[in-house]
Amino acid sequence: GENVEQHPSTLSVQEGDSAVIKCTYSDSASNYFPWYKQELGKGPQLIIDIRSNVGEKKDQRIAVTLNKTAKHFSLHITETQPEDSAVYFCAASTPPGTYKYIFGTGTRLKVLA
Amino acid sequence: DAGITQSPRHKVTETGTPVTLRCHQTENHRYMYWYRQDPGHGLRLIHYSYGVKDTDKGEVSDGYSVSRSKTEDFLLTLESATSSQTSVYFCAISESSGSFEQFFGPGTRLTVL
Repeated sequence: GENVEQHPSTLSVQEGDSAVIKCTYSDSASNYFPWYKQELGKGPQLIIDIRSNVGEKKDQRIAVTLNKTAKHFSLHITETQPEDSAVYFCAASTPPGTYKYIFGTGTRLKVLA
Repeated sequence: DAGITQSPRHKVTETGTPVTLRCHQTENHRYMYWYRQDPGHGLRLIHYSYGVKDTDKGEVSDGYSVSRSKTEDFLLTLESATSSQTSVYFCAISESSGSFEQFFGPGTRLTVL
């Protein structure tokens, strides 16, 4: 079946440094890739997304890049702050164009003050 | 925040008993989803609904059933709970206007003893 692989599973960075989380997907026809942030005891919340017709998208300190040829996409967080500490999930829409996702297994990000 | 509530928020039950979890939305969104979240597995889709009385299976549907008799409510039933169904369950919603974003509820922690 379709799957999304996410790495690393845990990531520790110093405050102010950058963090990068990577995902690969298996269905070359997937066309929508969201990133969710989940804080302890809460539901996931969308932080940024990208569609397959775009290679990069930025929103303040957060950016997502997509390489359709290699079937991978990445989340970049610059100037990390303690409040960025959370679990981050990537996802890919599948079947393409549907309203269903396959999620990655998550990355626990710790920003050290 | 999207108007999504889940009830109960916590439940402890015994093996073999039936359990029903409720998801209620006030956004009038067409699509509703049930996920389970387990360590090392991320979020996995159990069932989803694309309209009143229209439902379909996700990747981990065995042992679960759903019903949607009204736009605002989506019920998840464990006919005979097993210890392997101990998990955190999340409901999500999305609209059908071209945005693929899913909004998540606060989750229900279910423990099956």
